[in-house]
Amino acid sequence: EVQLVESGGGLVQPGRSMKLSCAASGFTFSNYGMAWVRQAPTKGLEWVATISYDGSSTYYRDSVKGRFTISRDNAKSTLYLQMNSLRSEDTATYYCTRTYYSSSPFAYWGQGTLVTVSS
Amino acid sequence: DVVLTQSPATLSVTPGERISLSCRASESVDTYLHWYQQKPNESPRLLIKYASQSISGIPSRFSGSGSGTDFTLSINGVELEDLSIYYCQQGNSLPTFGAGTKLELK
Repeated sequence: EVQLVESGGGLVQPGRSMKLSCAASGFTFSNYGMAWVRQAPTKGLEWVATISYDGSSTYYRDSVKGRFTISRDNAKSTLYLQMNSLRSEDTATYYCTRTYYSSSPFAYWGQGTLVTVSS
Repeated sequence: DVVLTQSPATLSVTPGERISLSCRASESVDTYLHWYQQKPNESPRLLIKYASQSISGIPSRFSGSGSGTDFTLSINGVELEDLSIYYCQQGNSLPTFGAGTKLELK
């Protein structure tokens, strides 16, 4: 059974940093692309970043480019999202998702971790 | 960015009826269009991939159609457990989602 378990969320002040983790199990992690998708409170879904199966390619939405970094450790089957210079508009539940190619759907989702950016 | 417009924003339904939800893209996305269901306080789950391909474990009453810019998600015989928000998402370029259609009980 595919499992994606996020951690690392919480309350953080504007301008500060936070790192999210996603522990994957139930599949061969190194064979799949992974992505982060977020959802602000009472809002819709918003893609944040994608990383290829081997970490060689990364993609970001414009609003997080230069502030967020997606990475992975295939030996640990873990996905990361380093978030710097956080803004109030980054407040959201962040979901870890499994994908494949860039055109592929987000086939599996974690339970999400809430990040609240507030002073 | 490709903009996905979903309609209607809210749909009031009666159990048993057949319904259709629309997703229109601002430019062609071929068939790189996927549908998700999100129940209250749950993570989204994939319903349909590549416009019309079914997903293992998803009830057969859910089906998808379309290509290019116009897509439809149909539910043949709505059940109470289907009351959720439905999102479309395109993968032809950097991913974008529609704003969602909320199914509510009439």
